[in-house]
Amino acid sequence: GQQVMQIPQYQHVQEGEDFTTYCNSSTTLSNIQWYKQRPGGHPVFLIQLVKSGEVKKQKRLTFQFGEAKKNSSLHITATQTTDVGTYFCGCAGGATNKLIFGTGTLLAVQP
Amino acid sequence: DAGITQSPRHKVTETGTPVTLRCHQTENHRYMYWYRQDPGHGLRLIHYSYGVKDTDKGEVSDGYSVSRSKTEDFLLTLESATSSQTSVYFCAISRTGHSYEQYFGPGTRLTVT
Repeated sequence: GQQVMQIPQYQHVQEGEDFTTYCNSSTTLSNIQWYKQRPGGHPVFLIQLVKSGEVKKQKRLTFQFGEAKKNSSLHITATQTTDVGTYFCGCAGGATNKLIFGTGTLLAVQP
Repeated sequence: DAGITQSPRHKVTETGTPVTLRCHQTENHRYMYWYRQDPGHGLRLIHYSYGVKDTDKGEVSDGYSVSRSKTEDFLLTLESATSSQTSVYFCAISRTGHSYEQYFGPGTRLTVT
């Protein structure tokens, strides 16, 4: 079945440093989504990428979809303490047509 | 927040007892999902629904059943709770379909002792 790997599992940064998380699928995707979950909260949808090579930005967040539509990255420039949380990718396009979520990257930001 | 509520928000129960978790939405969306979240596993799909009385299994459905008799309510039942079902359970809806963005409820933390 479809496998989704997300790395790293955990990253600790100083406030102001950059952060990147990567998501890799074993199968070609129809789209990929990113979610953020604050500690003690629920996942919140951030963005969806559909096109090969697509790049989208939301303020300090940059999302990329790979050319082969099998991987994606989320990059945060100049992290702030409000960026703390777990970032999940949700991959669509496997045989079941359901979202498969990565295991998430927990971001800790030290002031 | 897509008008999703979950009840109860916290529950402690004993092994072998039945438990029902409720997900309620106010916007009449067709697609609803139940996930469990455990450390190291992310979000795993238990069951989903694509309409009233239309449900199907996800990747971790053993020990769980669901029902959807009304558009707004999606119930998850643990027929005989086990300690391995201690988890945080999230309900989600999709406005457009299985492969599209999902909106999550606040979650239910279930502890089986």
